[in-house]
Amino acid sequence: ILNVEQSPQSLHVQEGDSTNFTCSFPSSNFYALHWYRWETAKSPEALFVMTLNGDEKKKGRISATLNTKEGYSYLYIKGSQPEDSATYLCAFLYGNKLVFGAGTILRVKS
Amino acid sequence: SAVISQKPSRDICQRGTSLTIQCQVDSQVTMMFWYRQQPGQSLTLIATANQGSEATYESGFVIDKFPISRPNLTFSTLTVSNMSPEDSSIYLCSVRKEDEQFFGPGTRLTVL
Repeated sequence: ILNVEQSPQSLHVQEGDSTNFTCSFPSSNFYALHWYRWETAKSPEALFVMTLNGDEKKKGRISATLNTKEGYSYLYIKGSQPEDSATYLCAFLYGNKLVFGAGTILRVKS
Repeated sequence: SAVISQKPSRDICQRGTSLTIQCQVDSQVTMMFWYRQQPGQSLTLIATANQGSEATYESGFVIDKFPISRPNLTFSTLTVSNMSPEDSSIYLCSVRKEDEQFFGPGTRLTVL
């Protein structure tokens, strides 16, 4: 059984704080790791697709790193804003299927 | 990219009834997936639905409970049959295009 773990389960921060979450996945047979942002009643929004060990990708204030040898990825948010409040999901591509972690719920207070 | 719509967006159903969820994509795609998220759980893959072939179900999911149709390259339905309160979940349709996977907004189902 594939295990994709995310931590922490939830996070409450103040506006302006920087924060990061962790995604752990199997280090063997790696193909790709996806990060999504999911707001209530909306579609999960793709943030990054990461494929190469040592990859670092950035979109605005959000960035992600990848270590395929040890099986983890970090997602960073710099200067959190209330609109960043959402559930952040990572998913490991296994064959044709995405296997998801349980997500990290982020709440940013203004 | 792909824009996906789902109907209904939410429903409240009685135990023992069935609900069919529709998924419409704005472009032709080969691979479509159905996921669900039970309260407090991960997004879990129910089945993969490719046009022209039978859906492939993941362990723990069976066709009698979750029949799927895939009549063309832009549309699919998932039926949740003989519902029980344990079927209360968000059900999401998803498609793969090149290296990215896109999701619909989900159908929030509550079974009483």
